[in-house]
Amino acid sequence: AQSVTQLDSQVPVFEEAPVELRCNYSSSVSVYLFWYVQYPNQGLQLLLKYLSGSTLVKGINGFEAEFNKSQTSFHLRKPSVHISDTAEYFCAVSEGEAAGNKLTFGGGTRVLVKP
Amino acid sequence: DGGITQSPKYLFRKEGQNVTLSCEQNLNHDAMYWYRQDPGQGLRLIYYSQIVNDFQKGDIAEGYSVSREKKESFPLTVTSAQKNPTAFYLCASSIYRGAWTEAFFGQGTRLTVV
Repeated sequence: AQSVTQLDSQVPVFEEAPVELRCNYSSSVSVYLFWYVQYPNQGLQLLLKYLSGSTLVKGINGFEAEFNKSQTSFHLRKPSVHISDTAEYFCAVSEGEAAGNKLTFGGGTRVLVKP
Repeated sequence: DGGITQSPKYLFRKEGQNVTLSCEQNLNHDAMYWYRQDPGQGLRLIYYSQIVNDFQKGDIAEGYSVSREKKESFPLTVTSAQKNPTAFYLCASSIYRGAWTEAFFGQGTRLTVV
């Protein structure tokens, strides 16, 4: 069975500083990887995805992530955060066709951007 | 606009009652999913359906039931057998185009047992 670990439950960061959110996964098969963002009392919005190809993935709002197969990681980064980036971020994996594209989520990382 | 519509946004239920959460999508997506979100636990899969008239249990299906009579609709019933139903429920869908794509999510329904 696959699992996802987000190593930090909360990350405080000052505005215009860089941020990195860590995500590690375990799976016995090839996976698809995703980062989603959730604002209070709302659904999830896709930030970026890795399906295949280049291991450096660029997403919306200046976010990027790097897939590292040997370390089974998919860390999310942004070089300069804004107040509007305050939200909860979820890493998720899917085993694709082998499992009906079901997603397994990490526990989430709450990012608080301070002025 | 295409998307996923969940209703209602807030729902209150008395103990012992069944309640049904609605999820409709006009994206022509093949698969639909129900996830439950509790604070600090991420999202957990309740049920999913890849085609009409077929669905499978997820990790926490006990106390829930679903139906998929139409491609665009996937309602979730929270039964009285669900011991701790208070949570935020999210519906999602995805499409198969030679490979599965990312899941798109609705805005959620917050269920509170009173």
